[in-house]
Amino acid sequence: SQQGEEDPQALSIQEGENATMNCSYKTSINNLQWYRQNSGRGLVHLILIRSNEREKHSGRLRVTLDTSKKSSSLLITASRAADTASYFCATVTGGFKTIFGAGTRLFVKA
Amino acid sequence: EAGVTQFPSHSVIEKGQTVTLRCDPISGHDNLYWYRRVMGKEIKFLLHFVKESKQDESGMPNNRFLAERTGGTYSTLKVQPAELEDSGVYFCASSPYAGTAQNTGELFFGEGSRLTVL
Repeated sequence: SQQGEEDPQALSIQEGENATMNCSYKTSINNLQWYRQNSGRGLVHLILIRSNEREKHSGRLRVTLDTSKKSSSLLITASRAADTASYFCATVTGGFKTIFGAGTRLFVKA
Repeated sequence: EAGVTQFPSHSVIEKGQTVTLRCDPISGHDNLYWYRRVMGKEIKFLLHFVKESKQDESGMPNNRFLAERTGGTYSTLKVQPAELEDSGVYFCASSPYAGTAQNTGELFFGEGSRLTVL
């Protein structure tokens, strides 16, 4: 069964606005990762947050993790048209299996 | 350094035919994963190799799917006979061996093989 579920399924914003995507999962994890996929391409790793971390930053990306609620959020600040892509959260459990959700499709209008 | 490469990028076959997908991981990566995405749904885990051994094949749908990784280098995923519901994009990913300094938890993905079964 699906481990991670992203919300919303799709998001449309104007360039310059912030985009927030959420992820909920079901079981205990070692770490949680966010990936990005441009249409027709492979997934690209964005950021990893470990189960004992609560917040992490990388450039315009900010990730939070709440293990008590089994949820994470990805914030992209000052979005650009080039940020248009699908974003997936991925959870890693003890067996090093990485489980993905269905993704959030982000469309940034120029 | 070459990334993960997959072949073919797109395959169109008829129901009942056989298709073999190939994945060449990044050189030196012991972990190799196969995933499948169907019609905008979740990216579903199929199986995980560590070198030539199947570490976890719990996601393989049924015995029409056969994955191999002879010699611990490239991997193939064969679907025989293909059914309509097998259509989707098959992704391969690799990573260095767990516990090594090179393993950051990140998976490196290929661009996928799109399979269409008519």
